[in-house]
Amino acid sequence: EDQVTQSPEALRLQEGESSSLNCSYTVSGLRGLFWYRQDPGKGPEFLFTLYSAGEEKEKERLKATLTKKESFLHITAPKPEDSATYLCAVQEQSGNLIFGKGTKLSVKP
Amino acid sequence: KAGVTQTPRYLIKTRGQQVTLSCSPISGHRSVSWYQQTPGQGLQFLFEYFSETQRNKGNFPGRFSGRQFSNSRSEMNVSTLELGDSALYLCASSLRAANTEAFFGQGTRLTVV
Repeated sequence: EDQVTQSPEALRLQEGESSSLNCSYTVSGLRGLFWYRQDPGKGPEFLFTLYSAGEEKEKERLKATLTKKESFLHITAPKPEDSATYLCAVQEQSGNLIFGKGTKLSVKP
Repeated sequence: KAGVTQTPRYLIKTRGQQVTLSCSPISGHRSVSWYQQTPGQGLQFLFEYFSETQRNKGNFPGRFSGRQFSNSRSEMNVSTLELGDSALYLCASSLRAANTEAFFGQGTRLTVV
């Protein structure tokens, strides 16, 4: 069965303290891997799409990387406004998206 | 450019009733997908519509159904509501099929009592 596992479930950082979130997956025929950010009471906000192992994408303080079995979302020098739940999703060959349960990030000033 | 609009934002229904949720995608987007989000299960894919045709369906009972109109607006219907259907229902739109770079609405919070 295709699965997506995110770790840790929750992460508390001090402002400026860099860290990484992990998304590991088992899926046959990966079409793409997506990262989203979700703030409380809102829908997920698209961040990145990665298609092949070795691919990297950056946006402000965020950098996403992809290997054959996992993806990392690295946050450099986070700020309090980066606090949110970060969701990873993989797209099967059928086109269906399977989401992980997310990592809740809290950044304290 | 307007985003994805979902109505209503909040809804309270009684067990056994049915409910219809609405989603207006971003202008020009032809694909609309629906998701259920709960604290225990996270985000789960319900179905995707593209050009008025259901392309994919997740693992949900037949009580969950949907449709898409010629203007790409979509509705989702849940019949014979159960307490476990209480969730945030999210709609996402994208230019092409298969959920590439989908943009989500704010969701409809459904509470079944």
